[in-house]
Amino acid sequence: DTGVSQNPRHKITKRGQNVTFRCDPISEHNRLYWYRQTLGQGPEFLTYFQNEAQLEKSRLLSDRFSAERPKGSFSTLEIQRTEQGDSAMYLCASSFLANEQFFGPGTRLTVL
Amino acid sequence: AQSVTQLGSHVSVSEGALVLLRCNYSSSVPPYLFWYVQYPNQGLQLLLKYTTGATLVKGINGFEAEFKKSETSFHLTKPSAHMSDAAEYFCAVSGGPSGYSTLTFGKGTMLLVSP
Repeated sequence: DTGVSQNPRHKITKRGQNVTFRCDPISEHNRLYWYRQTLGQGPEFLTYFQNEAQLEKSRLLSDRFSAERPKGSFSTLEIQRTEQGDSAMYLCASSFLANEQFFGPGTRLTVL
Repeated sequence: AQSVTQLGSHVSVSEGALVLLRCNYSSSVPPYLFWYVQYPNQGLQLLLKYTTGATLVKGINGFEAEFKKSETSFHLTKPSAHMSDAAEYFCAVSGGPSGYSTLTFGKGTMLLVSP
């Protein structure tokens, strides 16, 4: 399967803990995006990378959130000191430049 | 800033009936427009997109959409609904100060198909 993969698919954590998610994009894609989707809402843009460079960050990406793409391949999204409001589906997508974005299955985070 | 409004959080149709899902957008630049479908516990799959050129766009699974600049609309249609079409549908727009990189989504419309 050469699609976008995300791990883990589900994560349950207690408030205050740190969590990290991983996204592996389609291999030839140079752009990687992170979105957050809460219940009853459409996905909301968080940040994106072109190769290793983080080119844009949304105001939604508070100081507790950090994303990296160290070698221009996979990316990680870390949330520090999780809050119940962080409970959501975190979606990763990849594309070649500004062409069609292909989405992964998402990581569902539940903060207790 | 860009925005998308999807009218109706839920739309119910009978199998074989016309499907019409409404989308209106706001954009300060010529928009690129997209429709995505999301099945339970899955990621989003692109149904169709409009960038430039022909305003009637055909996508997968028999869906199509028409870009109407004067109405700022990009409604999704399918002549005959199938049970397998039951899913959530999202309209999205790109374009603006950041270029055409990021997508702004509507809140989604859940399509329910009854036998």
